Amino acid sequence: DAGVTQSPTHLIKTRGQQVTLRCSPISGHKSVSWYQQVLGQGPQFIFQYYEKEERGRGNFPDRFSARQFPNYSSELNVNALLLGDSALYLCASSPLVNPENSPLHFGNGTRLTVT
Amino acid sequence: AQSVAQPEDQVNVAEGNPLTVKCTYSVSGNPYLFWYVQYPNRGLQFLLKYITGDNLVKGSYGFEAEFNKSQTSFHLKKPSALVSDSALYFCAVRDVDQAGTALIFGKGTTLSVSS
Repeated sequence: DAGVTQSPTHLIKTRGQQVTLRCSPISGHKSVSWYQQVLGQGPQFIFQYYEKEERGRGNFPDRFSARQFPNYSSELNVNALLLGDSALYLCASSPLVNPENSPLHFGNGTRLTVT
Repeated sequence: AQSVAQPEDQVNVAEGNPLTVKCTYSVSGNPYLFWYVQYPNRGLQFLLKYITGDNLVKGSYGFEAEFNKSQTSFHLKKPSALVSDSALYFCAVRDVDQAGTALIFGKGTTLSVSS
């Protein structure tokens, strides 16, 4: 089975632009979570969607938004990009909503560079 | 608020020697604790979890972790290190203030195993 796939793998944007990152979960997984990993830091939770509904939102500004589609794939959108948004964006899927019952499976991430 | 701390940025060990990567946590209520590993340019891979039960948890690739409630620690261990264990290791705790799968990660510890 294919793992979590993310696209694109790398992206360079200019300050003020908008970006859309995409994620396809493992087949059968209904939960998708997004994390931001700044260089030298651990991943930080942005959003979780389960069965197409938002289940959690981290401490990120409203410039960050996401959605989940009927096939459980997901998009993360970031508007008005800032230099500080440069990071590795990780998508994780799981079959259930709680991590103690089903560990997260991470994709390889999208490396976003904002210049 | 929940948090995890990884006090060591880097751990160096010779191949064949035992290794320990330290993690301490601060949570309200019962902790749900996890270890993940990240190889260069890859996403995170799940190693093991502690939810309840035995204080010694066994995971993937020969790793185990010891939960100590009195010391609020969850150290990752392996009896005999391999060069291929060299990677970035993250301790995480479930954020009980968030519904769903939100995890709070430590900043990570780089493990370097020399031959």
